[in-house]
Amino acid sequence: AQKVTQAQTEISVVEKEDVTLDCVYETRDTTYYLFWYKQPPSGELVFLIRRNSFDEQNEISGRYSWNFQKSTSSFNFTITASQVVDSAVYFCALSEAEAAGNKLTFGGGTRVLVKP
Amino acid sequence: GAGVSQTPSNKVTEKGKYVELRCDPISGHTALYWYRQSLGQGPEFLIYFQGTGAADDSGLPNDRFFAVRPEGSVSTLKIQRTERGDSAVYLCASSSIADTEAFFGQGTRLTVV
Repeated sequence: AQKVTQAQTEISVVEKEDVTLDCVYETRDTTYYLFWYKQPPSGELVFLIRRNSFDEQNEISGRYSWNFQKSTSSFNFTITASQVVDSAVYFCALSEAEAAGNKLTFGGGTRVLVKP
Repeated sequence: GAGVSQTPSNKVTEKGKYVELRCDPISGHTALYWYRQSLGQGPEFLIYFQGTGAADDSGLPNDRFFAVRPEGSVSTLKIQRTERGDSAVYLCASSSIADTEAFFGQGTRLTVV
């Protein structure tokens, strides 16, 4: 069965510091997808990125970057030069290609608190 | 509307009562998902619809939970004989086809007293 582990429950940083969120996953599928979602206090989950298991290239989008390492089953997320608006809970998630639809297995989330 | 809409945003009910939670997906999205998020935890999958049919209902915790999507658009999650342990935020998501990213609504916070 699939599993996603986010070992950090809460991270507190001062504005402009970088913050890296760890995500480790388990799956028996060879084809799968990895996601990151942001959940601000409003509660809505905001999609950040989707990566398939065959694409190990790291990705950068503005202040966000993702490091996918299949060898260690990790998909870590870094926010560079953090801002107060980055304060939220961040979830890593996995879906398996053999499962019906886009059924997501989420990690427990990491709460990021950015202080001014 | 532009996004996934869920109503009500908050629902307080007494133990043993019946509740219905509504989800209005993004127009044209054929795939619809329900998740449940308990306090301090990640969302947990409940059920997935492709069109009108439930393609995967393996996450429904027991037979008190049921969901429908009769016309392939709006979905209703129904909970019978509610228990205090059912208290959680119920999230709905939709996607254009099954294997693309899902867009989530703001959820319904259910409190059973």
